[in-house]
Amino acid sequence: EVQLVQSGAELKKPGESLKISCKGFGYRFTSYWIAWVRQMPGRGLEWMGIIYPHDSDAKYSPSFQGQVTISADKSIDTVYLQWTSLQASDTAMYYCARREVDWEPPELWGQGTLVTVSS
Amino acid sequence: EIVLTQSPGTLSLSPGERATLSCRASQSLSANYLAWYQHKPGRSPRLLIHGASRRATGIPDRFTGSGSGTDFTLTISRVEPEDIAVYFCHQYNNSPLTFGGGTTVEIK
Repeated sequence: EVQLVQSGAELKKPGESLKISCKGFGYRFTSYWIAWVRQMPGRGLEWMGIIYPHDSDAKYSPSFQGQVTISADKSIDTVYLQWTSLQASDTAMYYCARREVDWEPPELWGQGTLVTVSS
Repeated sequence: EIVLTQSPGTLSLSPGERATLSCRASQSLSANYLAWYQHKPGRSPRLLIHGASRRATGIPDRFTGSGSGTDFTLTISRVEPEDIAVYFCHQYNNSPLTFGGGTTVEIK
């Protein structure tokens, strides 16, 4: 089955680091871009950035540039979203989503990873 | 940044009624790069419409997308109980890519 499977929920303290993952199954992983999308509690969706696992070419939305790092390990069909120092405002659901080309929207999404940052 | 404004915030309908959801862009979208998603609680978003009016694979024909430029509409011709969800629009051509705030569809 073609799917994106994300890592499980995380409970972290402010200042801690975190890396969550998104693994692709059932398709040629390096042929699609993978995006990360944030949904804060009670809020809409926000595009964070996108990466092409084939060559790890990553592009960030200005609001998230320098705040997170998106990386990929194509040997295990996995993309990551990483923080070096979490803040309470990073509490959100994070989705990964697959996109084939620039002129089409993401058509396959992961199940989401809930990140809670609280002291 | 292109802002997408969706209305109404909530739509409460009886089964079989027609739902009309609006998405207005702050700038004209080139080539109508506008998508609609359905998002149910605890589930992943599901692509319904892309290119403003093209149904994604497997989407029932009661879902129709229309519009161009700055004004777009998602119509559910006959709402069914399984359509309870948040529907959001997404522009995917102008960086940064953005999403609308969503419309919640409730069944009376």
